[in-house]
Amino acid sequence: AQSVTQLGSHVSVSEGALVLLRCNYSSSVPPYLFWYVQYPNQGLQLLLKYTSAATLVKGINGFEAEFKKSETSFHLTKPSAHMSDAAEYFCAVTAGGSGNTGKLIFGQGTTLQVKP
Amino acid sequence: DTGVSQNPRHKITKRGQNVTFRCDPISEHNRLYWYRQTLGQGPEFLTYFQNEAQLEKSRLLSDRFSAERPKGSFSTLEIQRTEQGDSAMYLCASSPRAGGITGELFFGEGSRLTVL
Repeated sequence: AQSVTQLGSHVSVSEGALVLLRCNYSSSVPPYLFWYVQYPNQGLQLLLKYTSAATLVKGINGFEAEFKKSETSFHLTKPSAHMSDAAEYFCAVTAGGSGNTGKLIFGQGTTLQVKP
Repeated sequence: DTGVSQNPRHKITKRGQNVTFRCDPISEHNRLYWYRQTLGQGPEFLTYFQNEAQLEKSRLLSDRFSAERPKGSFSTLEIQRTEQGDSAMYLCASSPRAGGITGELFFGEGSRLTVL
């Protein structure tokens, strides 16, 4: 079974500051991990994914995340926040490898606020 | 545009009425997923199809909920005898790979249900 915990339901940063959104996962098998972003009244858009290749994953809009097995973490970072980054961010996990069904288990989400 | 399409985008109904949502996946995607998202929460898995076969249903999917995917193309999600607790955003997603190798899902913009 898989589960995801996102630490902090609300994060506020100043424009130009570092963005750090935390995600810890639990999985009984090697996982695939994802970050999705959701803007108001829109569907979820994939930011980046980890599928057992490189542990440092780069995504769209300057975001990246590092898979740390020893810490069971997959935190999302961006060096410099932009106003357009304000949105809801979801971390998700699914079983990797041959056991993958594509079914994603999502965390509860983190709202990112960017202050001018 | 060839993204995932959901209709209607908004539905307001009275308690006890039946509602149906439709999802048109990306062409040739053989996996289709339904999720439910309530305010301030991450999406919760409801069910998924591979082609026309419904392979898994969450225990969240009570007897009042039924999903179909005739001919492996579009899908419908019907809720009978709606309750106020059914008020949520219903998200549809599709995936291009039968084996779910990457697990990446492509989401529609959702259908928001309000039960009065």
